[in-house]
Amino acid sequence: GAVVSQHPSRVICKSGTSVKIECRSLDFQATTMFWYRQFPKKSLMLMATSNEGSKATYEQGVEKDKFLINHASLTLSTLTVTSAHPEDSSFYICSARTGFQPQHFGDGTRLSIL
Amino acid sequence: SQELEQSPQSLIVQEGKNLTINCTSSKTLYGLYWYKQKYGEGLIFLMMLQKGGEEKSHEKITAKLDEKKQQSSLHITASQPSHAGIYLCGADGKIHDKIIFGKGTRLHILP
Repeated sequence: GAVVSQHPSRVICKSGTSVKIECRSLDFQATTMFWYRQFPKKSLMLMATSNEGSKATYEQGVEKDKFLINHASLTLSTLTVTSAHPEDSSFYICSARTGFQPQHFGDGTRLSIL
Repeated sequence: SQELEQSPQSLIVQEGKNLTINCTSSKTLYGLYWYKQKYGEGLIFLMMLQKGGEEKSHEKITAKLDEKKQQSSLHITASQPSHAGIYLCGADGKIHDKIIFGKGTRLHILP
């Protein structure tokens, strides 16, 4: 089946630093990639949708300058949390799809800001 | 905007018992997805339903979409500890741009 790799799986860093999370579709070309955030015992909250070669579409309430998304190729999207603070600590999950096929998810990144 | 309501929010069943999880949409569903998430991990795709009345099965899990395409159910037969996790239903928008998820159903299986 389709495989999506997300890296790193866990990040712990100091407040004020920027953190980059990578999402790769390993065996298919992803026309669209999605970034979600999940709080403890809560459902997935869509942050943004990105299409290869174009600017990401952010959901209402998500700061574009805070969460930078780059979808440079059909197999790679990155999420950079800039100047991270403790309130940015969360579980971030990416997914990828091609056309009308189901989304396939990465294993998530647990971000902890000290 | 479309909203998905899942019920129950949490479910505890004895191993070997059958169970059903429901997902109801406020609007017509163009595509309905079922995913499973283990705590602190990514989502595993289970099934996709698109046609009214459609039913799909994978091992001991069966998912159905009603004729009106506003309600889906996920049924697990003879539950096992490996079925424990969070089950999420997701709905495709009309232009298949993004999936909106329900809040999930937490399933616990008692040995």
